[in-house]
Amino acid sequence: EDQVTQSPEALRLQEGESSSLNCSYTVSGLRGLFWYRQDPGKGPEFLFTLYSAGEEKEKERLKATLTKKESFLHITAPKPEDSATYLCAGYNTDKLIFGTGTRLQVFP
Amino acid sequence: GAGVSQSPSNKVTEKGKDVELRCDPISGHTALYWYRQSLGQGLEFLIYFQGNSAPDKSGLPSDRFSAERTGGSVSTLTIQRTQQEDSAVYLCASSSMGGGETQYFGPGTRLLVL
Repeated sequence: EDQVTQSPEALRLQEGESSSLNCSYTVSGLRGLFWYRQDPGKGPEFLFTLYSAGEEKEKERLKATLTKKESFLHITAPKPEDSATYLCAGYNTDKLIFGTGTRLQVFP
Repeated sequence: GAGVSQSPSNKVTEKGKDVELRCDPISGHTALYWYRQSLGQGLEFLIYFQGNSAPDKSGLPSDRFSAERTGGSVSTLTIQRTQQEDSAVYLCASSSMGGGETQYFGPGTRLLVL
């Protein structure tokens, strides 16, 4: 069965304290690994797509990497405005298969 | 340009009533998706429309759920005889072509069934 698992469920960081979020996947015929950010009461906001193992993408303080079994979202020197839920999803055939997300809180 | 829009933003209904949720995709996007996000759970795929092809309805949880897309643009998700377990956020997304292209999400409709 296709599955995406994210860890940790919740993460509390001090401002400036770098860390990584993990996304493990077993998705047959994976055609892309997506990262989204979701703020409370809003829809997911697209961050990155990774298509092949070894690929890396960066945006501001975020960097996403992909291997054959997992993806990492590295957050460097986070700020309070980075607080959100980060969602990982694998694309297979006609749909995105989502993990349950990592809820990140960054404190000043 | 405008993003994906959904209406209503919130809907409270009584058990047994029918509800209709609307999605306006990004102009020019041929693919449209509906997902459901329940409290504490990940987004769950419901249905996928691509152009004039027959929709992929494999994620619809029961025959009380249906969706249509008129003129290749606006989509309506209908839930008949709502139950309390239907309470969730219903999210719509669109992409330029489908097939792994980036999906852009609307703000969602928060449905509460009393």
